[in-house]
Amino acid sequence: AQSVTQLDSQVPVFEEAPVELRCNYSSSVSVYLFWYVQYPNQGLQLLLKYLSGSTLVESINGFEAEFNKSQTSFHLRKPSVHISDTAEYFCAIQTGGTSYGKLTFGQGTILTVHP
Amino acid sequence: DAGITQSPRHKVTETGTPVTLRCHQTENHRYMYWYRQDPGHGLRLIHYSYGVKDTDKGEVSDGYSVSRSKTEDFLLTLESATSSQTSVYFCAIRGQLDTQYFGPGTRLTVL
Repeated sequence: AQSVTQLDSQVPVFEEAPVELRCNYSSSVSVYLFWYVQYPNQGLQLLLKYLSGSTLVESINGFEAEFNKSQTSFHLRKPSVHISDTAEYFCAIQTGGTSYGKLTFGQGTILTVHP
Repeated sequence: DAGITQSPRHKVTETGTPVTLRCHQTENHRYMYWYRQDPGHGLRLIHYSYGVKDTDKGEVSDGYSVSRSKTEDFLLTLESATSSQTSVYFCAIRGQLDTQYFGPGTRLTVL
């Protein structure tokens, strides 16, 4: 069985500071990796994903994540955060084969950006 | 926006009553999913569907049933609601490149 661990439940930072949200996973087969973001009282939105190819993936709003197979990690980073980045972030994995595309989520990390 | 709607968006019910949540999609996606979201647990898969009348259990399926009689609708039923089923429920579809897109959610409170 696969699992996802988000190492920090809450991350407070000041505006314009860098941030890293950590995600480790466990799986005996190859995986696809995702980060979703949930703004207050909203649904989940896809932030970025790794399916194959370059291990560094980027989102349109300045976030990036790097797939590290040896460390089974997919940490999310942003060099300078804004107040509007305040949200809960979820890391998720999907195994290939006959998994029917099911996602396994981490527990979530609440990012709070202070002025 | 992947054309997913959920109804109702909010519901308060009493223990022991049946409840049905509806997920509707407009883009003819084959795969659909129901998750529940609880603090400290992230999202957990309840049931999923890989076609009309084809469904299977997820990791937290006890107390829930589903039905999919047509491609666009995926129903989640709580046969006899309990307080432990108070949660936010999300429906999702599997779109291009194995990516799931989520509906706006239903907040269910069981008193």
